[in-house]
Amino acid sequence: GAVVSQHPSWVICKSGTSVKIECRSLDFQATTMFWYRQFPKKSLMLMATSNEGSKATYEQGVEKDKFLINHASLTLSTLTVTSAHPEDSSFYICSAREGPTDGYTFGSGTRLTVV
Amino acid sequence: GDSVTQMEGPVTLSEEAFLTINCTYTATGYPSLFWYVQYPGEGLQLLLKATKADDKGSNKGFEATYRKETTSFHLEKGSVQVSDSAVYFCASSGYSTLTFGKGTMLLVSP
Repeated sequence: GAVVSQHPSWVICKSGTSVKIECRSLDFQATTMFWYRQFPKKSLMLMATSNEGSKATYEQGVEKDKFLINHASLTLSTLTVTSAHPEDSSFYICSAREGPTDGYTFGSGTRLTVV
Repeated sequence: GDSVTQMEGPVTLSEEAFLTINCTYTATGYPSLFWYVQYPGEGLQLLLKATKADDKGSNKGFEATYRKETTSFHLEKGSVQVSDSAVYFCASSGYSTLTFGKGTMLLVSP
């Protein structure tokens, strides 16, 4: 079945630094990738939708300059948290699908802790 | 916009008990419906899905039937195991994205 690999699985960084999270579709071409944020004991909040070769579409309230999303190829999307602060600490999850009628496959998530 | 409502947890059961987690949705058109499971510290795994009315999705003893008349997709399992302890998310899919419920934590004790 479809597999999405997300790295790193956890990262600790200092305030003010930037962190990059990668999301790869291993056995299919992902025309669309999604980035979610999950707070403790809460549901997933969609942050942005990215289509290969296009600018990401951000959800209302998500800072584009803080959460940079790049989807340069059909198998890779990256989320960069710039100038991270403790309030950015969260669990970030990506998902991908091949086409609009295909199912969604999720990565295993990245636990970001900003100290 | 689309929305998904599922029962709040935690749901606490003894092993071999019957499980129901309620889920209702509102959507324009005819969405596909999903149940995802999340184990601690992990991402989401697709548990089952249904793409049209009256479809029944099933996997690992879990079942859910797409009920258009009641806009529901309740998750059931006849006999839960300790290993089923996790958070379960109901979701609906429109053309462009998934809409999730808030998740229901299931705790199964021996």
